[in-house]
Amino acid sequence: DAGVTQSPTHLIKTRGQHVTLRCSPISGHKSVSWYQQVLGQGPQFIFQYYEKEERGRGNFPDRFSARQFPNYSSELNVNALLLGDSALYLCASSLPGQGFSWSEQFFGPGTRLTVL
Amino acid sequence: GQSLEQPSEVTAVEGAIVQINCTYQTSGFYGLSWYQQHDGGAPTFLSYNALDGLEETGRFSSFLSRSDSYGYLLLQELQMKDSASYFCAVLNTDKLIFGTGTRLQVFP
Repeated sequence: DAGVTQSPTHLIKTRGQHVTLRCSPISGHKSVSWYQQVLGQGPQFIFQYYEKEERGRGNFPDRFSARQFPNYSSELNVNALLLGDSALYLCASSLPGQGFSWSEQFFGPGTRLTVL
Repeated sequence: GQSLEQPSEVTAVEGAIVQINCTYQTSGFYGLSWYQQHDGGAPTFLSYNALDGLEETGRFSSFLSRSDSYGYLLLQELQMKDSASYFCAVLNTDKLIFGTGTRLQVFP
């Protein structure tokens, strides 16, 4: 079975531009979460989507937005890029159901975003 | 506020046992997870504790004390491939909150 896939793997943008990152969850997983990981730190929660609805949002500015499609894939959009947005962006999917499910997240390889 | 504290680095030799501690402060606590991340890789799930006590999965065990807001990951019979970063993560009502991670270096 295919794992979580993300595209692109690497991306270089300049300040002020916008970016769209894509994620396809494991088949059967209806929840997708997005995380930002800066080098040397733990992943920071950005969004969780379940059944195409936003279920959770972390402490990120409104420049960050996301959506989930009917096939459960997801996009993360970041507008007006800042240098500080340079990071590894991780997508994770999990099984539907109770709270326990959210604890076991299956991560994709991530998209490395560099903002110049 | 919400916070998790872990040691930044731990070193050990092959075959040894190492314990990585995690203390947390958070609201809406459901449970504590542990993830492993090798350099350049994605985090992978190791364990989850929703109730107090010890959970064992092969060479790895995880412990939780809800009353003490404390947990640990125990790694036994260390192997070189265990060299990685280890993150505790608190599951609360709508999100998974990760600690800053503990870098484990295993020496021959």
